[in-house]
Amino acid sequence: GNSVTQMEGPVTLSEEAFLTINCTYTATGYPSLFWYVQYPGEGLQLLLKATKADDKGSNKGFEATYRKETTSFHLEKGSVQVSDSAVYFCALWPQAAGNKLTFGGGTRVLVKP
Amino acid sequence: DAGVIQSPRHEVTEMGQEVTLRCKPISGHNSLFWYRQTMMRGLELLIYFNNNVPIDDSGMPEDRFSAKMPNASFSTLKIQPSEPRDSAVYFCASSLGTGTSAYEQYFGPGTRLTVT
Repeated sequence: GNSVTQMEGPVTLSEEAFLTINCTYTATGYPSLFWYVQYPGEGLQLLLKATKADDKGSNKGFEATYRKETTSFHLEKGSVQVSDSAVYFCALWPQAAGNKLTFGGGTRVLVKP
Repeated sequence: DAGVIQSPRHEVTEMGQEVTLRCKPISGHNSLFWYRQTMMRGLELLIYFNNNVPIDDSGMPEDRFSAKMPNASFSTLKIQPSEPRDSAVYFCASSLGTGTSAYEQYFGPGTRLTVT
């Protein structure tokens, strides 16, 4: 079946530090890949996406590149802010019909001033 | 747009009581999802509907849980009887259930359920 594995948190950083959250997946074919973010007390919201191999998704200074050869979709941001403190979820949407997102376990990020 | 609306935001009930969670999806969206989030198990998909029809309920934990979608603008998730292990945050999400927009799910703020 489909699965998503992401690094366990929490990840604690200082403001302006570089952030990387690793994500790898298992799926047949060419799934679409996503990062969702959950700010404290809120529901998840889509942060960025990539729908085919070598695509780079980007939004709000975050980037992730769809690497088919390593089945990875690592999230990066060059200079984090306190407001980036949240839980980040990697997810995949299968190529085959199914209409279900498979989420990773989430990584909590805490940015300190 | 008001986004996905869930009610109540918080619910505290005693074991054995019936609990009903409500969701209003974004107008025009035709897929609706119920998720449960706990520290131990993370984010779990319980059930999803497409055009008001339940498509996959394999995530519903047991017969105590039931979900309905009587029309395109309303869904309920019911737990009867409730147990302490049902304590969690329950999210409703909706999406345009066709084509490449189907994966962009819009989540509500969640209902925090505590069963004592």
